[in-house]
Amino acid sequence: DVVLTQTPVSLSVTLGDQASISCRSSQSLEYSDGYTYLEWYLQKPGQSPQLLIYEVSNRFSGVPDRFIGSGSGTDFTLKISRVEPEDLGVYYCFQATHDPYTFGAGTKLELK
Amino acid sequence: QVQLKESGPGLVQPSQTLSLTCTVSGFSLTSNSVHWVRQPPGKGLEWVGAIWSGGSTDYNSALKSRLSISRDTSKSQVFLKMNSLQTEDTAIYFCTQITTGYWGQGVMVTVSS
Repeated sequence: DVVLTQTPVSLSVTLGDQASISCRSSQSLEYSDGYTYLEWYLQKPGQSPQLLIYEVSNRFSGVPDRFIGSGSGTDFTLKISRVEPEDLGVYYCFQATHDPYTFGAGTKLELK
Repeated sequence: QVQLKESGPGLVQPSQTLSLTCTVSGFSLTSNSVHWVRQPPGKGLEWVGAIWSGGSTDYNSALKSRLSISRDTSKSQVFLKMNSLQTEDTAIYFCTQITTGYWGQGVMVTVSS
């Protein structure tokens, strides 16, 4: 199974700072169709996860442009420029390239 | 609009079988996949399995021997059955379309005697 390793486990930021989360895969996430099915989710306390980014760098409907996904192959990054209060929670990367699908362990974004 | 709603027993005894239902609306099960994801209290997300639009299924490797996902397209329902439950199966269980951004609110399942 594909293992997704997220770092850091937690990240303390000041509002307005930039935050960066890494997701490394145990194997390439490029599918045979040329697409890379790596997604990013944010889960706030007591809520279902919400999709932020799909196919590495595409923002889901309504997601602000301060969320930027990048990467290829096995290394991926989610950057949040100018962190706002509503950005706090746990971020997960998720791969839908290889069966079975898998999530990273999560990165908790909190206030310093 | 697209909606997914999980239902099932809140409490299951150890070694028993869990049966959950995901009732969907706003889309057809013959055109879209439905996935199950679970989250133990205070822990991360775990992909459990999926039923695809054609009716085939895929399962988490660690759960596959205990797990079955099926559907009734006429009722727009997807079913999860997991046998030989243990306390570590205590979790919130979500049904979701995953890559389209639609999730149910989740149902808490506690495995305890």
